Amino acid sequence: KAGVTQTPRYLIKTRGQQVTLSCSPISGHRSVSWYQQTPGQGLQFLFEYFSETQRNKGNFPGRFSGRQFSNSRSEMNVSTLELGDSALYLCASSPDRGLLSYEQYFGPGTRLTVT
Amino acid sequence: ELKVEQNPLFLSMQEGKNYTIYCNYSTTSDRLYWYRQDPGKSLESLFVLLSNGAVKQEGRLMASLDTKARLSTLHITAAVHDLSATYFCAVSFGNEKLTFGTGTRLTIIP
Repeated sequence: KAGVTQTPRYLIKTRGQQVTLSCSPISGHRSVSWYQQTPGQGLQFLFEYFSETQRNKGNFPGRFSGRQFSNSRSEMNVSTLELGDSALYLCASSPDRGLLSYEQYFGPGTRLTVT
Repeated sequence: ELKVEQNPLFLSMQEGKNYTIYCNYSTTSDRLYWYRQDPGKSLESLFVLLSNGAVKQEGRLMASLDTKARLSTLHITAAVHDLSATYFCAVSFGNEKLTFGTGTRLTIIP
């Protein structure tokens, strides 16, 4: 079974630009979550999508947005990039949201560098 | 707001020794996770603990959960170099997000 895939793996952008990251969950998984990892703030939750609906949202500004498609693939978008957005962005998928099956499987991440 | 604290933040230990990483969390949780992360890599799931008293073991790693004390431990037995990595605990409640600890950077010295 293929794991979670994220594209692109590495990205360099300039301040003020926008960026879109993509995540393909494990086949059959309907929940996709996004996390930002930085040396200073650690791992922080961005948002979660389930069946094309945003179910949870972290404490990030509105410049961070996401969506999920009918095939469970998800994208996140960051507009008006700032230097502080440089981070590893991790996507995780899980089968559903039931108590016994809420293990999250993480993708390899997208390393975003803002210059 | 759920807060998760890990200690120590950094741990340097000799091969063959035993040590324990601690994870405390501030409010009720019904799932506790342990992950491993190698430099520049993603998170690898190690254990999911669901109930009070749960204990899981894989190789030289053993995780336990005490929900009354809101404490989980990750015990390393007879450490080997391959265990060098950063270890994270994370907790969630119901269908809420995962809240991660700060991570423990473990270095095994030959």
